[in-house]
Amino acid sequence: EIVLTQSPDTLSLSPGERATLSCRASQSVSSSYLAWYQQKPGQAPRLLIYGASSRATGIPDRFSGSGSGTDFTLTITRLEPEDFAVYYCQQYGSSPLTFGQGTKVEIK
Amino acid sequence: EVQLLESGGGLVQPGGSLRVSCAASGFTFSSYAMSWVRQTPGKGLEWVSSISGTGSSTYYADSVKGRFTISRDNSKNTLFLQMNSLRAEDTAVYYCAKGERPGGSAYHVVFEYWGQGTLVTVSS
Repeated sequence: EIVLTQSPDTLSLSPGERATLSCRASQSVSSSYLAWYQQKPGQAPRLLIYGASSRATGIPDRFSGSGSGTDFTLTITRLEPEDFAVYYCQQYGSSPLTFGQGTKVEIK
Repeated sequence: EVQLLESGGGLVQPGGSLRVSCAASGFTFSSYAMSWVRQTPGKGLEWVSSISGTGSSTYYADSVKGRFTISRDNSKNTLFLQMNSLRAEDTAVYYCAKGERPGGSAYHVVFEYWGQGTLVTVSS
């Protein structure tokens, strides 16, 4: 099983700042099968990024993903008020599909 | 507009059974892999099971293999999860989720759209 470890657990930032979230895999994720999701309280997760760097439909270009192998990054260039949420990475390269534990982006 | 509406959650005793459903609309249901993902405060998000568009291929997490069965009725655009021999650790919100591309694999699956979830509580 591929274990995904996200860091930091919590990121305290102000609107307009840049957010950099990390996701490290315990073994290489094949074909960059890595996705990122955003979840707000009381809501279901929303797909942001798949294939490590492809934005999902309707996702603003301030969200970008990068990385390969075991190290992946989600970057939010300028935080908007609606971006404060929990973010999860997920690998879908091998079974079982697994998620990271999440990074909470909170208002400083 | 893609819509996924789960139902069937509730309180069940340990060892009991429950079937949750997911009614889908807004896309060609039979063309997409579908999945169940659960979420608990303590364990976060956990993939449970996936099924191909035709229903011919199914995959399960080890934690539910042999106890849960995923199925679909493409004539009714509905996804099911039959849960037997339920345990306290199965308590969670269960989400159904749609794969991201038509004809896509149920093995390498990204969860493009999610329902709002149905709460399953296993307790005596």
